[in-house]
Amino acid sequence: GENVEQHPSTLSVQEGDSAVIKCTYSDSASNYFPWYKQELGKGPQLIIDIRSNVGEKKDQRIAVTLNKTAKHFSLHITETQPEDSAVYFCAASSGGNDMRFGAGTRLTVKP
Amino acid sequence: DVKVTQSSRYLVKRTGEKVFLECVQDMDHENMFWYRQDPGLGLRLIYFSYDVKMKEKGDIPEGYSVSREKKERFSLILESASTNQTSMYLCASNGQGYYGYTFGSGTRLTVV
Repeated sequence: GENVEQHPSTLSVQEGDSAVIKCTYSDSASNYFPWYKQELGKGPQLIIDIRSNVGEKKDQRIAVTLNKTAKHFSLHITETQPEDSAVYFCAASSGGNDMRFGAGTRLTVKP
Repeated sequence: DVKVTQSSRYLVKRTGEKVFLECVQDMDHENMFWYRQDPGLGLRLIYFSYDVKMKEKGDIPEGYSVSREKKERFSLILESASTNQTSMYLCASNGQGYYGYTFGSGTRLTVV
């Protein structure tokens, strides 16, 4: 089955700096790669996703890149703000009921 | 606003008790999932259901069972709770043809 690895487990940046979180996956059949943000006391919320026919997707300050050959994808957050502080999860799926998640990255943005 | 609602935010149960965690979604989604979340391990799939009365084992089904009698409701059952089942439990759902999940807020279960 699919195995998703996520790095780093913790990340601390100064407000205004960029943050990058990286994930690798093992199943070449995976074609959907979402990112979830989990704030304290809440469930994960989908913030951006990318499908395998696209190499990059951007939504305001967040972007995701995908390298299918290397089986890795990354989340980029620019101009970080304190409200970006949360736990971020990457995931991979082949479109069925097989979504597998990374272990999570705790991002802290220092004011 | 679409919702996945988990009935309890915090739950404390004794070892050996039978525990029911309830999840309801109002989006008419076919698929529903139960995950447990532990530090450093991320989200691990316990069970999922793709239709009423249908269920499939996930990666860690041991010690758990599920019930889906109605489309909107998916229950996770701990037949005899043990301390190693202390965790955050997350319910999620999605519709056919849509890959993204909507999660509930989670139930933090402590077994003492």
